Amino acid sequence: GAVVSQHPSWVICKSGTSVKIECRSLDFQATTMFWYRQFPKQSLMLMATSNEGSKATYEQGVEKDKFLINHASLTLSTLTVTSAHPEDSSFYICSASRTVSSYNSPLHFGNGTRLTVT
Amino acid sequence: GQQVMQIPQYQHVQEGEDFTTYCNSSTTLSNIQWYKQRPGGHPVFLIQLVKSGEVKKQKRLTFQFGEAKKNSSLHITATQTTDVGTYFCAGPGDDKIIFGKGTRLHILP
Repeated sequence: GAVVSQHPSWVICKSGTSVKIECRSLDFQATTMFWYRQFPKQSLMLMATSNEGSKATYEQGVEKDKFLINHASLTLSTLTVTSAHPEDSSFYICSASRTVSSYNSPLHFGNGTRLTVT
Repeated sequence: GQQVMQIPQYQHVQEGEDFTTYCNSSTTLSNIQWYKQRPGGHPVFLIQLVKSGEVKKQKRLTFQFGEAKKNSSLHITATQTTDVGTYFCAGPGDDKIIFGKGTRLHILP
């Protein structure tokens, strides 16, 4: 089946530093990838839609300059949390769909990245 | 905007009891998807329903899509400890998939 790989699985960083999270589709090309944030025991909160070769579409309330998204190839999207602060600590998960029509097809999720900012 | 509501938020059941989670959309859906997230894990796709009134089974799990394609349910028969986790329904919005808040299932031994 489709596999989405996310790296790193967990990261601890100091306040003020930046952290890059990678999301790769291993056996299919993903024109669109999605980035979510999840607080403990909460639902998935869509942060942005990553589009290959173009700018990401951010959800309302998500700071574009804070959460930089790059989707340079059909198999790789990256999320960079810039100038991280403790309140950015969370579980970040990416997902991708096999088909171009991402909104009608099942999503395959990465394993997630647990970010802790000290 | 479009909403996908899911109830209950939490459910504790004795092992062996049945469990049901319900999903309601504010708009008609072309399809509905169900995902399971184990504690500490990531969401995993379970099934997609497309047809009005559709019923699909996966072993002890039964999924239904309402006639009006605005609601859905997931029923687990005779729960086991491996069923622990959060079950999310999701439906297509204008430009994204919209997830319900999920139902967290806890199994009491």
